[in-house]
Amino acid sequence: DAGITQSPRHKVTETGTPVTLRCHQTENHRYMYWYRQDPGHGLRLIHYSYGVKDTDKGEVSDGYSVSRSKTEDFLLTLESATSSQTSVYFCAISEVAGSYTFGSGTRLTVV
Amino acid sequence: DQQVKQNSPSLSVQEGRISILNCDYTNSMFDYFLWYKKYPAEGPTFLISISSIKDKNEDGRFTVFLNKSAKHLSLHIVPSQPGDSAVYFCAAYSGAGSYQLTFGKGTKLSVIP
Repeated sequence: DAGITQSPRHKVTETGTPVTLRCHQTENHRYMYWYRQDPGHGLRLIHYSYGVKDTDKGEVSDGYSVSRSKTEDFLLTLESATSSQTSVYFCAISEVAGSYTFGSGTRLTVV
Repeated sequence: DQQVKQNSPSLSVQEGRISILNCDYTNSMFDYFLWYKKYPAEGPTFLISISSIKDKNEDGRFTVFLNKSAKHLSLHIVPSQPGDSAVYFCAAYSGAGSYQLTFGKGTKLSVIP
C-alpha cells in the first residue's frame, strides 16, 4: 500500500544476533508504531513515536529498542534476538487519533 | 490484564447470512472503538468506528453497535460475502490525548459459499 513500507518482508536470523527492521513512510505523519502479532495474542504494541527523537515504550517493549532520527523512518532493533521474538511485526502510522495505516508486515523467524 | 477482549477466536457463517462479531472492554476511559480487518500476508485495514456518544454506526453492509453500560460492542455484517473472510480486530482508545490503540486478539471469520 502506498505511503508506508516495511523492510525486509521476511527474515530468518540466529539466536543472539542483532536485527533491525525498518519502517518508512511518505505521508509525513507524526505518529509511528511498532506492533507484533502472535497467535492467541492479537496485536501488541512494542514501541511508538510521537515525533523525531520522541519515543516511548508499549506493552511488550522488553528486548526491543527503537529510533526515529527522521520523520519518515522508524527503526525497530532487537539487540540480541531470541526465539520468543519470532513473530510478524507491523508498523503503523497515524496523524489523527485512532486512524492507523498499517504496513504489510515483516515475518521474523529466530532459529 | 486484557483491556479489549474478543472471546471467539473463530466464526463460520453461510454466505448471505448475518455475521456478528463481539468485543468486550474493561477500561472505562475508552471512548472510541474501531474494527480493523486483516487478510493473510497483509496489514490490518480500518473498517468502521464508533464514538461513545453514539450507540450505532452504519456503513453499507457493516454496522457497529455499542452498549456502554455493558462495555460491549458488536460488528454486524449483512449480508456476509466470501470476500469478508478475514481476521477482525476490535480496538479502542481514550480520546484524552492518547493516540495508542489497544487491540483485541481477533476473530477469524469464515464465510462459506
